[in-house]
Amino acid sequence: KNEVEQSPQNLTAQEGEFITINCSYSVGISALHWLQQHPGGGIVSLFMLSSGKKKHGRLIATINIQEKHSSLHITASHPRDSAVYICALPMNYGGSQGNLIFGKGTKLSVKP
Amino acid sequence: KAGVTQTPRYLIKTRGQQVTLSCSPISGHRSVSWYQQTPGQGLQFLFEYFSETQRNKGNFPGRFSGRQFSNSRSEMNVSTLELGDSALYLCASAVSVGVESPLHFGNGTRLTVT
Repeated sequence: KNEVEQSPQNLTAQEGEFITINCSYSVGISALHWLQQHPGGGIVSLFMLSSGKKKHGRLIATINIQEKHSSLHITASHPRDSAVYICALPMNYGGSQGNLIFGKGTKLSVKP
Repeated sequence: KAGVTQTPRYLIKTRGQQVTLSCSPISGHRSVSWYQQTPGQGLQFLFEYFSETQRNKGNFPGRFSGRQFSNSRSEMNVSTLELGDSALYLCASAVSVGVESPLHFGNGTRLTVT
């Protein structure tokens, strides 16, 4: 069983739709990252959260430590949101953050 | 402030050769981590360095090595290249190693082994 499971693997949406991407994990963690990767390959860190909820523009990330589940929401989706979204967890509980395990990613395509 | 810089962007090597990739972190960042991304395995952790010391190493063979210099720049080396080493290699830097320090990723080096 993978330690980090993302769903869905692929997602196609119409511009303006509300989008939810889920991440479930089986290990104890101190924080969780949501990353965005565009076709060119570069990765942008969207959120790092250890509890509750964070919001940045149209993006909202939530985490429930007890249920070992996190969600990334995109409100009023736009074609420029098309990318691969990846959740990542530090492997060492309470330890360094560079040592990450990654979900397989959710490929999002937003159609105009 | 300049972002994380990885050089070169693209590289083509032949099986059996060795390769060195470079990562210059954001000024003031002392932690550098390396990752390999392939279509089959996805993203996998390679190494983490802080203040010239390797703090963690992923599950990769000894052909993969790295180091960090006193100016925090980091290099990784792959010797005796195999076809399966073809991948996008990404590095990320952070101010420190604690989980409170956000990661900043470079654009990666795409290595093709023929």
